[in-house]
Amino acid sequence: AAGVIQSPRHLIKEKRETATLKCYPIPRHDTVYWYQQGPGQDPQFLISFYEKMQSDKGSIPDRFSAQQFSDYHSELNMSSLELGDSALYFCASSLGGTQYFGPGTRLLVL
Amino acid sequence: DAKTTQPPSMDCAEGRAANLPCNHSTISGNEYVYWYRQIHSQGPQYIIHGLKNNETNEMASLIITEDRKSSTLILPHATLRDTAVYYCIVRVANYGGSQGNLIFGKGTKLSVKP
Repeated sequence: AAGVIQSPRHLIKEKRETATLKCYPIPRHDTVYWYQQGPGQDPQFLISFYEKMQSDKGSIPDRFSAQQFSDYHSELNMSSLELGDSALYFCASSLGGTQYFGPGTRLLVL
Repeated sequence: DAKTTQPPSMDCAEGRAANLPCNHSTISGNEYVYWYRQIHSQGPQYIIHGLKNNETNEMASLIITEDRKSSTLILPHATLRDTAVYYCIVRVANYGGSQGNLIFGKGTKLSVKP
């Protein structure tokens, strides 16, 4: 079965640079969620979109923004990167309840 | 804050059943119990969920107490590949509109040993 696709899988950036993470949900899923997992921590919810509109917002820094496009894929844009942004970023998608996660993007900020 | 309490770690012998408990004493009537697991930095994997009846699928069984204040995830024949952090999460299952993010607690680190 098709799963959630995330790209890139690994990303290395310098401080103050920008990064864009992409998420392609499972076909026909209409909701996308973004989570951040710092080293040794549990996943924390950032933001979600339902039918291309922002539906919930968690602990997402103002430096981050996201959107969901007409084909339901989503992008997380991160600007003015800080060392503390180094983390795993997971995308999940759902259709009516259960969320299914992608493999994640590992971001390292140097 | 997470609405669930789980033991931080458990061990299980390979081939034996692994029983992972979860307390959710403040669960609301419209909240489901979801279980996910995360194998070493991989994306969290959905296991099973339930409202009040016991549930079983190809991966596990979920036993929910009658008062719904606690539940147990059962892996009937644990293998080394089941070593992971297991998260018990309660959430409202909305259909349409805002569908509710997951709030991850600390989870239980299950170690399956040969």
